[in-house]
Amino acid sequence: DTAVSQTPKYLVTQMGNDKSIKCEQNLGHDTMYWYKQDSKKFLKIMFSYNNKELIINETVPNRFSPKSPDKAHLNLHINSLELGDSAVYFCASSQAGLKYEQYFGPGTRLTVT
Amino acid sequence: GEDVEQSLFLSVREGDSSVINCTYTDSSSTYLYWYKQEPGAGLQLLTYIFSNMDMKQDQRLTVLLNKKDKHLSLRIADTQTGDSAIYFCAETPQTGNQFYFGTGTSLTVIP
Repeated sequence: DTAVSQTPKYLVTQMGNDKSIKCEQNLGHDTMYWYKQDSKKFLKIMFSYNNKELIINETVPNRFSPKSPDKAHLNLHINSLELGDSAVYFCASSQAGLKYEQYFGPGTRLTVT
Repeated sequence: GEDVEQSLFLSVREGDSSVINCTYTDSSSTYLYWYKQEPGAGLQLLTYIFSNMDMKQDQRLTVLLNKKDKHLSLRIADTQTGDSAIYFCAETPQTGNQFYFGTGTSLTVIP
């Protein structure tokens, strides 16, 4: 019973390509997040999203866009991939009124060559 | 945005206590958290403390919060080799869904 799952686990692609990472949660949460963890393990929030509000970290390039087909899914689309996009991307979820319990997915390691 | 700082590395001997420290800048923080990340894995929530508390204990884990100094610590008693991981502190402000993570402390437990 995986709470927060991501696919793929590994993604290797060339510069300039467009790719997507999928995230699903079966916890019934109403808020989902995307984080980027760089090679130094620094973790930065990219987006938080519920059915009412999308909050974008202002440092995130507009090549990155979250897409939520329903409450249980928040996919990350990345256009025109660059070398600096190489990182581990984590999806997470929480309940809006209970944000002290945030659960993370296992991560997607993206390598751009 | 808010700054959350941690020392990057900590080494302890198996059986000793580990203390991981964290400082933050946002005085409106409501919850403060400790997460554990094992190699190649996602983040696992270990514990959290509400900002009106000073201390929280959960088995081998003790969290201390000094709100005046904006200092949070995680003490792991009887540290085991399985505790080797990166530990992140995080905080959430009073409003919104933002989580702000520290830089992570890599704990190495020496057998």
